[in-house]
Amino acid sequence: GAVVSQHPSWVICKSGTSVKIECRSLDFQATTMFWYRQFPKQSLMLMATSNEGSKATYEQGVEKDKFLINHASLTLSTLTVTSAHPEDSSFYICSASPRTSGGNEQFFGPGTRLTVL
Amino acid sequence: QKEVEQNSGPLSVPEGAIASLNCTYSDRVSQSFFWYRQYSGKSPELIMSIYSNGDKEDGRFTAQLNKASQYVSLLIRDSQPSDSATYLCAGKTYSGNTPLVFGKGTRLSVIA
Repeated sequence: GAVVSQHPSWVICKSGTSVKIECRSLDFQATTMFWYRQFPKQSLMLMATSNEGSKATYEQGVEKDKFLINHASLTLSTLTVTSAHPEDSSFYICSASPRTSGGNEQFFGPGTRLTVL
Repeated sequence: QKEVEQNSGPLSVPEGAIASLNCTYSDRVSQSFFWYRQYSGKSPELIMSIYSNGDKEDGRFTAQLNKASQYVSLLIRDSQPSDSATYLCAGKTYSGNTPLVFGKGTRLSVIA
């Protein structure tokens, strides 16, 4: 149990285009999902906390107008990178906590590797 | 003090040995603690969670939590080359649906 999927697993796009990444909890409901970014050989960096039915909470330094987060249901959160630029190329990973775990344990999706040309 | 600190390694152990990974945390990180394993190019995978003082065993893995000394450790018995990965220690500042605070990770290399 506690499986989180992401789609797509990798994407290559041209500079200036927008890319949408989906995060789904497959076998549990998650009121909260988290979005991380990881550059090569660096640690995970939390970008935002996504709450179902409400606005996301962004970490300091993360542009909310550039990284649009929508948490439309208890099993789906999306991250849209708008007007992507090469410096946005990174590994984007979401995580989710099952409601039954009281929000303690978090399970990660497999990640989406974004390359902006 | 950083909220969650780990030695970046690399930690090298021979196959079959016990690998010991350590993590210290600040006063703010007082709730649950977790160990994740991350292979290169992959996302983190939850190995163990520990919430109270003492040891918690799961197969070849044992997590140890000492709240008085503010450290949490992970022991891997009978280490295998497939255990070679980066191990991330994480804690929470609040209970419930709040973000994890991660250490930078310790790279473990198990030599065959």
